[in-house]
Amino acid sequence: AQKITQTQPGMFVQEKEAVTLDCTYDTSDQSYGLFWYKQPSSGEMIFLIYQGSYDEQNATEGRYSLNFQKARKSANLVISASQLGDSAMYFCAMREGSTDSWGKLQFGAGTQVVVTP
Amino acid sequence: DSGVTQTPKHLITATGQRVTLRCSPRSGDLSVYWYQQSLDQGLQFLIQYYNGEERAKGNILERFSAQQFPDLHSELNLSSLELGDSALYFCASSPDRGYTGELFFGEGSRLTVL
Repeated sequence: AQKITQTQPGMFVQEKEAVTLDCTYDTSDQSYGLFWYKQPSSGEMIFLIYQGSYDEQNATEGRYSLNFQKARKSANLVISASQLGDSAMYFCAMREGSTDSWGKLQFGAGTQVVVTP
Repeated sequence: DSGVTQTPKHLITATGQRVTLRCSPRSGDLSVYWYQQSLDQGLQFLIQYYNGEERAKGNILERFSAQQFPDLHSELNLSSLELGDSALYFCASSPDRGYTGELFFGEGSRLTVL
């Protein structure tokens, strides 16, 4: 079963607008972490933001914020004031807290974002 | 720069061949993870090593194997290559077992099988 679901294969957003990328997850662990990575066309994986399952406040990092709704098991990424350089593939990922997970991340299918002038 | 180094960056080979991808983790990181990214499968976790020992296994084919050496660098060996093995292979690293933060990814090794 899919652990991480990103339902938006792609989206266009105008420069300076905000965009929300959806992510839902599935886990029975109480302790887990949620991550967003950005992959530009050059291919590297760039870490953006992290949210722990016990964190009461939504994580923010500059123009990135994570809208964490634990009961709904969603961890949407909000990018404010989009820039042309934000055009990339965005991946949501989860690390489950069980000891046999050993820290690996499970990734969603990704959302391709294209920022237009 | 994440501090994780992967070589080679690009590799083109033929079906049936064998290749080795190399990864040097960030200084001090004990865990190394290998991921495969292909168009049809997305980002798939392959295998993880911690301080030289295999710790977690994902969707890794039997034709693939990996190891982590005493100096903590890791190698991913891909044999009897098929067209479908063409993909971007990432190595990532993280510190000790209790670490809960992000994984640090290398720039990837792009394998093309012709």
